[in-house]
Order: sequence, then C-alpha cells, then structure tokens
Amino acid sequence: KAGVTQTPRYLIKTRGQQVTLSCSPISGHRSVSWYQQTPGQGLQFLFEYFSETQRNKGNFPGRFSGRQFSNSRSEMNVSTLELGDSALYLCASSYRTQNTEAFFGQGTRLTVV
Amino acid sequence: DQQVKQNSPSLSVQEGRISILNCDYTNSMFDYFLWYKKYPAEGPTFLISISSIKDKNEDGRFTVFLNKSAKHLSLHIVPSQPGDSAVYFCAASRGATNKLIFGTGTLLAVQP
Repeated sequence: KAGVTQTPRYLIKTRGQQVTLSCSPISGHRSVSWYQQTPGQGLQFLFEYFSETQRNKGNFPGRFSGRQFSNSRSEMNVSTLELGDSALYLCASSYRTQNTEAFFGQGTRLTVV
Repeated sequence: DQQVKQNSPSLSVQEGRISILNCDYTNSMFDYFLWYKKYPAEGPTFLISISSIKDKNEDGRFTVFLNKSAKHLSLHIVPSQPGDSAVYFCAASRGATNKLIFGTGTLLAVQP
C-alpha cells in the first residue's frame, strides 16, 4: 500500500509569489491534515480536512489556505510569500476522524528568497 | 502556550540499554497520545499510540506509559539500537479531531 505522497519535494520561490503544494493520502484515508515545521516554532498544525470539508484550522494568517478534493487528495496554497514561510510542510493522512494514527508524507521543503 | 512539552532536548544511551523519553502535557482534555520518530528533512514516522483509557501500550521494542494524574507519558525503547538515533516527538489530540499538538522533540543518540 503506497504511503502519503507529497509533491513537489523541494521548491524555491521569491517573496510575494504564491505556491501550491499537493498531498495524496494513503488509499482509503479520507482525513488529511497539514503541518508546518520550522526550527523556531517546531511542528505546527495548519488545517484538517475530511470529506472535502475543513474541520479545523490552526493559528495561521489567511494567506494560508487549503482544500480537499472528492478523491481525498489535498492541496494547500500560500499567497504573498514571506521569508518566514520558509519551512518543511508536512501532510498527514488518517483513516478515522479521531483517536487514530496519522501517517506523514516526506514533506515539501519550501524556501522563500 | 506550549501544551505539550519535552523537557529533555537530547538523550544519549548505549546500544542494548533502555531509552526513556519523557513528555508532559497541560491540557487534561487530551485523550489520545502518539509518538513519532523523525529524521531531518523527512516526515515523522509513527511509532506507537495510546488512548487515555489505557495506561500502557506495547509494540515490539516500544512501550508507551501514560500517567493521567501526573499528565505525563513516556516512551521506553528496549533494547536500544543505533538505528533508533533520531528526534522523537510526542503528540496529543482531543475530541473529534485529528489535530495534533506536538512537543518540541528529543534528540536520541544511541552509541554503539
């Protein structure tokens, strides 16, 4: 069974640009969550989707948005990139909506210059 | 407000001995706890989890203990192997959500 797939693995963008990251969950998993990892803030929750609905949102500015498609694949978008958005962005998929393991992808390393 | 804390940034253990990683939390509403292992620039790898209705869960070399009254959980790795060297994160969730609150991580180094 394939794991969580995130694309692309690496990205370099310029300040002010926007970026879209993609995540394909494990087959059969309908819950997808996104996290940001930075050296200063650690692993921080961005959003959670289940059956195309956002169920939870972390404490990030409105420049960060996401969506989930009917096949459970998810995308997150960051507009008007800032240097501080440089981070490892991680996607996790889960089978249920609570009290269950979350399996992570390899992440997308975003560098904003 | 750090709701999940790992107070030891690093731990060094000899191969074959026990590794004990600790995690404290402040929110008594957390009802599910997980441990992950992580290498730099990779996603976390799930190790083991425990529900708040239990106080112990085992999976091979990994055992997680939960002390609800002390709001404390620990991960025991026995025996430790050099391949266990990585950063270990504990995480917690509450209620009908998969939102995870992560600790700051502990770097485990297992010396051959």
